[in-house]
Amino acid sequence: GEDVEQSLFLSVREGDSSVINCTYTDSSSTYLYWYKQEPGAGLQLLTYIFSNMDMKQDQRLTVLLNKKDKHLSLRIADTQTGDSAIYFCAESPSNDYKLSFGAGTTVTVRA
Amino acid sequence: DGGITQSPKYLFRKEGQNVTLSCEQNLNHDAMYWYRQDPGQGLRLIYYSQIVNDFQKGDIAEGYSVSREKKESFPLTVTSAQKNPTAFYLCASSNRQGVHTDTQYFGPGTRLTVL
Repeated sequence: GEDVEQSLFLSVREGDSSVINCTYTDSSSTYLYWYKQEPGAGLQLLTYIFSNMDMKQDQRLTVLLNKKDKHLSLRIADTQTGDSAIYFCAESPSNDYKLSFGAGTTVTVRA
Repeated sequence: DGGITQSPKYLFRKEGQNVTLSCEQNLNHDAMYWYRQDPGQGLRLIYYSQIVNDFQKGDIAEGYSVSREKKESFPLTVTSAQKNPTAFYLCASSNRQGVHTDTQYFGPGTRLTVL
């Protein structure tokens, strides 16, 4: 999606924290999402954040939203080999139920 | 178990043939979507349907067709007019009622290869 941008690759050592960044363009977005895709599989909803929130934490996942800069990040604490996947950021513009996806960030966890 | 199923998982087609990909959901969701995924390009929307007997073109509808005769089913036909059909196809659904109406849930995908 041209409206949502992500870096394409991230390599992280097992046990470290991963931070995946995303920028979006539609300031009217209601929800912002993070999806995870393992090889050959569909997309799994990881978490989402409502646009009036700054932060959301769910176990090892922390989502930070900077609405002023239209910047969204996903932090994975204590990254494990099972976290190796493609992570997609998506926005949901208000009055439009379609999602706009970024190109995905491939996260590789090395021992 | 509630969820979205897609079949087949792998599909091979000869050039010039039409092929239909199946998508079924038992989540009682109103809206369904078809996406195409190519390496490094994320997901692109092909068609979507908000209610039964109604559907709209997405960003890359040319060469594809859909139908929505039942709430739980949204099959996608890849026609011979689609110039480059080899891709991974993902179906999704969302609940248009209540809260979180935009959250989409995905099926496992169908990988189509044109020989």
